[in-house]
Amino acid sequence: SQQGEEDPQALSIQEGENATMNCSYKTSINNLQWYRQNSGRGLVHLILIRSNEREKHSGRLRVTLDTSKKSSSLLITASRAADTASYFCATDHGGATNKLIFGTGTLLAVQP
Amino acid sequence: DADVTQTPRNRITKTGKRIMLECSQTKGHDRMYWYRQDPGLGLRLIYYSFDVKDINKGEISDGYSVSRQAQAKFSLSLESAIPNQTALYFCATSDWGTDQPQHFGDGTRLSIL
Repeated sequence: SQQGEEDPQALSIQEGENATMNCSYKTSINNLQWYRQNSGRGLVHLILIRSNEREKHSGRLRVTLDTSKKSSSLLITASRAADTASYFCATDHGGATNKLIFGTGTLLAVQP
Repeated sequence: DADVTQTPRNRITKTGKRIMLECSQTKGHDRMYWYRQDPGLGLRLIYYSFDVKDINKGEISDGYSVSRQAQAKFSLSLESAIPNQTALYFCATSDWGTDQPQHFGDGTRLSIL
């Protein structure tokens, strides 16, 4: 399986702290995407970073990509209780299919 | 994403029954996908379709079939359900082109007894 790995599997922090989660993958990618899943809901796209990009920002989110290490990280700054969710990375390995391979997810709990 | 609607949201059924899960979208996307989610395993691709006449197997297609009835509708069937198909099932869509995000429905929780 090409499925990516994320760590940590679970993370608990206090409101206002930063949360960092990591994703590793096995083969070369076209892009890497991060998604959020609230309990009982579908996944929501957060941010996409292309293979030729090293860092990207969107609001309180910062994503980095290191293609030499086949890894990415998602940083959520100044976390809020509403950020409590599972976070998944997904890799697009190119071709015309736009198929994604999802990681196993990080469960983030932000304590108020 | 309210633009991708899955029905039913929950279903409990018995081993051996035929089940159909339905997905409809108003995003006008040509690409549609079916995934299953199991605890600790993330999402795995079952089938995907790029237009009405195009159906492709994903990573775990055994025991499943699909039908793309129209651009907006993509259904997943379990011909003879078995307990290890108990999972959360998601439909997703994406637009043409590279670097496209996927848009997910809220899922169907399926339990097979």
